Amino acid sequence: KQEVTQIPAALSVPEGENLVLNCSFTDSAIYNLQWFRQDPGKGLTSLLLIQSSQREQTSGRLNASLDKSSGRSTLYIAASQPGDSATYLCAVASDSWGKLQFGAGTQVVVTP
Amino acid sequence: GAVVSQHPSRVICKSGTSVKIECRSLDFQATTMFWYRQFPKQSLMLMATSNEGSKATYEQGVEKDKFLINHASLTLSTLTVTSAHPEDSSFYICSARDVSAEAFFGQGTRLTVV
Repeated sequence: KQEVTQIPAALSVPEGENLVLNCSFTDSAIYNLQWFRQDPGKGLTSLLLIQSSQREQTSGRLNASLDKSSGRSTLYIAASQPGDSATYLCAVASDSWGKLQFGAGTQVVVTP
Repeated sequence: GAVVSQHPSRVICKSGTSVKIECRSLDFQATTMFWYRQFPKQSLMLMATSNEGSKATYEQGVEKDKFLINHASLTLSTLTVTSAHPEDSSFYICSARDVSAEAFFGQGTRLTVV
């Protein structure tokens, strides 16, 4: 059974610092991996989708890498801003149907 | 990206009553939708897979008679919590996948059973 782990569970940084969020998974036979952002009491916003054949994806200040063989993905957020404060979740799909296995998330606080 | 709309965003109901939550894909068709449940400070747990025109597939431990799922069209899935009890209070959230296999989520529904 696929297990997804996110480290650290919580992170606090001053504004301007780069953020590094880690996600690991036990079964390397994945279909894709997706990073989400969740604000308190809200739904999930998709940040980046990495297909199993890809090594990384970039969108603005966000960059996500994927190393299937080692079962790891890293989300980098450059020049953090207070508005980046949220919980970040990674999720793995094992097939094309879209069923996701989530990590527990990393709660990020960016202080002004 | 694609838009998934979930309604209501918040509902309070009395014990023993039923509550229906709607999940719509607004700009794409979704033959499959997913329903998740999230407890405070925890991650999302998949409850069931909703299949258009056929029965839902429930995850182990999820009571199919309590959580009724209907997926009558390519853009709408509903989750009905029947005979709700306080322990059913939670955050329920749906998702749908577009053709690129990217998952999009609704805004979530905060259910409080009193």
